[in-house]
This record gives sequence, C-alpha cells and structure tokens, in this order.
Amino acid sequence: AQSVTQPDIHITVSEGASLELRCNYSYGATPYLFWYVQSPGQGLQLLLKYFSGDTLVQGIKGFEAEFKRSQSSFNLRKPSVHWSDAAEYFCAVGLSNFGNEKLTFGTGTRLTIIP
Amino acid sequence: GAGVSQSPRYKVAKRGQDVALRCDPISGHVSLFWYQQALGQGPEFLTYFQNEAQLDKSGLPSDRFFAERPEGSVSTLKIQRTQQEDSAVYLCASSLEQGEARGKGQETQYFGPGTRLLVL
Repeated sequence: AQSVTQPDIHITVSEGASLELRCNYSYGATPYLFWYVQSPGQGLQLLLKYFSGDTLVQGIKGFEAEFKRSQSSFNLRKPSVHWSDAAEYFCAVGLSNFGNEKLTFGTGTRLTIIP
Repeated sequence: GAGVSQSPRYKVAKRGQDVALRCDPISGHVSLFWYQQALGQGPEFLTYFQNEAQLDKSGLPSDRFFAERPEGSVSTLKIQRTQQEDSAVYLCASSLEQGEARGKGQETQYFGPGTRLLVL
C-alpha cells in the first residue's frame, strides 16, 4: 500500500530564512505528488504538483519542490519565508488507479515563523 | 468563480444523533471526494463520486456513514448514530476530470473549508 511520511511534525524558522520540508513516499510506480497548505480553520490549498517531466516544480507563493526518484522524496523548499507562511503543510500522493485519484496524505508539518 | 463550499461549517451533535453534511462542488466538476481529518492528522479518503455514481466507498469507516450525489452536483455525507470517534473535520474536494484527462492539468482536487463535527 502507498504511504507518505513527513518526518518533521513541527518546524520553526526565522522570517527571511530558507525552508525545506521533507516528504518521502512509498509506492510501486511513479506517483503523482502534491503539496497542500492549510491555514487554521481553512481548507487545503494546492501549492504545487508533480505528474511527470521536469523534476523541479515551481508553485505558488514562491515555493518549489524537487522530485527525486532515487530517494523517494518530494521535498518542499522556499528561499525566504514570510510570516504569512505559518501554516500546516501536507504532502500527498495520488494513486495511478485509473479513474480514481484519491489522495493519500502525510501527517503534516506545522510551520512556525519567528520574527 | 466560486470554490467548493461546505455547510454547516461547525456542527455539534449529541452521541447517537444523525448528522448530514453538505458539499457544493465547483460548477462543472465531474469528480467529488470526501475526506476525514482527525485532529493532528492528515486527511483520509472516505469516498469518491464520478458524476452521480459512487465509484469508491472503501474509506467509509462503518455502515453508519453514507454518502450520495443524486444529480451529480451537490453531495451529502450522512452519519447515523454518531459516536465520539466521529469527531473530525470532514473535507470535500472536487476536480474537473479524472482518467483520460490525466496529465492535462485537470486532476487537481480543490478543497472546501470543511465541516468541523464535534460529537459529545
């Protein structure tokens, strides 16, 4: 069965510092990979997605992620964080079950930004 | 256009009560998903509709959970005889197309704000 691991439950970074959130997946084929962000009381907003092609994916709000097949990873990065980036971040994998792209999510990483 | 909307946003139920949660997907979206998000966890898949057909209900935790989408648009998730372990945020998502549209940028799931259910 597919699974997603986000090893960092909580990360604290200073405003303006760089950020990397880790995501590892377990799946037998090339997965479809996503990063979502969830602010308190809000639904999930898609940051970026990887289906195929270029392994470095650009997303909204200055985020990017790199798919590394050899490491089964899809880490999220941002060169300089803003206070508004404080939120919960979820990595997800989509199954290749034709016609049903239900998502399997990691447990999330909570990001705190300090001045 | 409008995004996915859900109602109510908050629901408090006494144990044993029935509840109904509504999801209005983005207009024209074929696929609709329900997820359950327990406190401190990531969302977990419950069920999936393509138009009015419920193609996958493998994630429904018990036969107390029932979902429908009779006209292929609005969906309702019903929980009968609620239990304390049903307390969670219930998220609805919709996407334009699946399957043949794979890789054409149409598979993205757009999520609603969720319904927070508290069972006392």
